[in-house]
Amino acid sequence: DGGITQSPKYLFRKEGQNVTLSCEQNLNHDAMYWYRQDPGQGLRLIYYSQIVNDFQKGDIAEGYSVSREKKESFPLTVTSAQKNPTAFYLCASSIEGDGSYEQYFGPGTRLTVT
Amino acid sequence: QKEVEQNSGPLSVPEGAIASLNCTYSDRGSQSFFWYRQYSGKSPELIMFIYSNGDKEDGRFTAQLNKASQYVSLLIRDSQPSDSATYLCAVNWYSNSGYALNFGKGTSLLVTP
Repeated sequence: DGGITQSPKYLFRKEGQNVTLSCEQNLNHDAMYWYRQDPGQGLRLIYYSQIVNDFQKGDIAEGYSVSREKKESFPLTVTSAQKNPTAFYLCASSIEGDGSYEQYFGPGTRLTVT
Repeated sequence: QKEVEQNSGPLSVPEGAIASLNCTYSDRGSQSFFWYRQYSGKSPELIMFIYSNGDKEDGRFTAQLNKASQYVSLLIRDSQPSDSATYLCAVNWYSNSGYALNFGKGTSLLVTP
């Protein structure tokens, strides 16, 4: 089955620790995205990548880092510099990154930092 | 920042009625428009996309686009309790570093039996 997987579903970390969220897709999509969702809020774009070995900052990139070494994978690292990391993190992909194509979402990772 | 506005609701409709969800956007250059459904605690699920002015129908769902007035709407006919969810409107826009989707905060829909 084709799709997007994110792991883990729930993640708990202590303040000051870096944490990496996994996102894998087997849809052969060129573009991948990371969003953050807070309660009662819309999705806010953290980073996106239109092709392998290239990525761009979104609206709220501070405190986050990404890599895109393989087409299938787009991991997100939440660093200790992110002031309010507790949120629902969503990974998405689309055929291309030109804005014309729909994005498909993974199941999400709920991160809690205490 | 380009804006996408939705009424947060909740919008309450009886089972079998038509639910009408509206979205306005600020970027006149936007070309692609998407509706997603999100159940509580779950990730968004694509319902429909529309690129041209007018109506696009898919089963019980109809998307309507009016670029001159900068609004897009979603109609759900014969609403069912299982349609109760938050509906997100998304609009593409071009930033300095490429295209991205801008999401509204969503409208909460409650279909009552």
